[in-house]
Amino acid sequence: DAKTTQPNSMESNEEEPVHLPCNHSTISGTDYIHWYRQLPSQGPEYVIHGLTSNVNNRMASLAIAEDRKSSTLILHRATLRDAAVYYCILRGTNFGNEKLTFGTGTRLTIIP
Amino acid sequence: GAVVSQHPSWVICKSGTSVKIECRSLDFQATTMFWYRQFPKQSLMLMATSNEGSKATYEQGVEKDKFLINHASLTLSTLTVTSAHPEDSSFYICSARRQGGNYGYTFGSGTRLTVV
Repeated sequence: DAKTTQPNSMESNEEEPVHLPCNHSTISGTDYIHWYRQLPSQGPEYVIHGLTSNVNNRMASLAIAEDRKSSTLILHRATLRDAAVYYCILRGTNFGNEKLTFGTGTRLTIIP
Repeated sequence: GAVVSQHPSWVICKSGTSVKIECRSLDFQATTMFWYRQFPKQSLMLMATSNEGSKATYEQGVEKDKFLINHASLTLSTLTVTSAHPEDSSFYICSARRQGGNYGYTFGSGTRLTVV
């Protein structure tokens, strides 16, 4: 499985944008880049995913480098409810390779 | 849309007994579901891939006779922890993905198992 590398932790001030980086230098051409977040004692929550182009949804934006070896999850205006562990995961598309393998993620702390 | 319901949310059982955890996709059909386990302050570890109408695929190191998985319908997968012991105490989470499009994965809310 292609691996991802994320900082262990980050802090951000409330109401400011947050940029969460992820490196995936061994990504294959068919791997999707997925982001999930997990609050304490809850299951992970889907945030966003993409393949090559940048993506936007109501929760966040995903900026994907041109060579696809890195990506950045952007929370445009952090709130206290965004404090969570954020996971960047590569998902294969071949049959039998669609499972998500979680790394250690980035623990995001929001400072009021 | 794409809701996954997991039940129970928590359970306490005696050592040596078995516990069944249910995972249901409420508004979509899921031919494949995934079961994870998470210990405190650790990341999710994939245990097995549950396939509707066929045997589950277990990850290396996961005992298939201890963690029985049944995926009898397109909306229900169950995980049974047999002869549970205190070291099986953990947070168990299921996941599924709506097929037929470019969707993300939906996770259940998790089951906190405590074996005493």
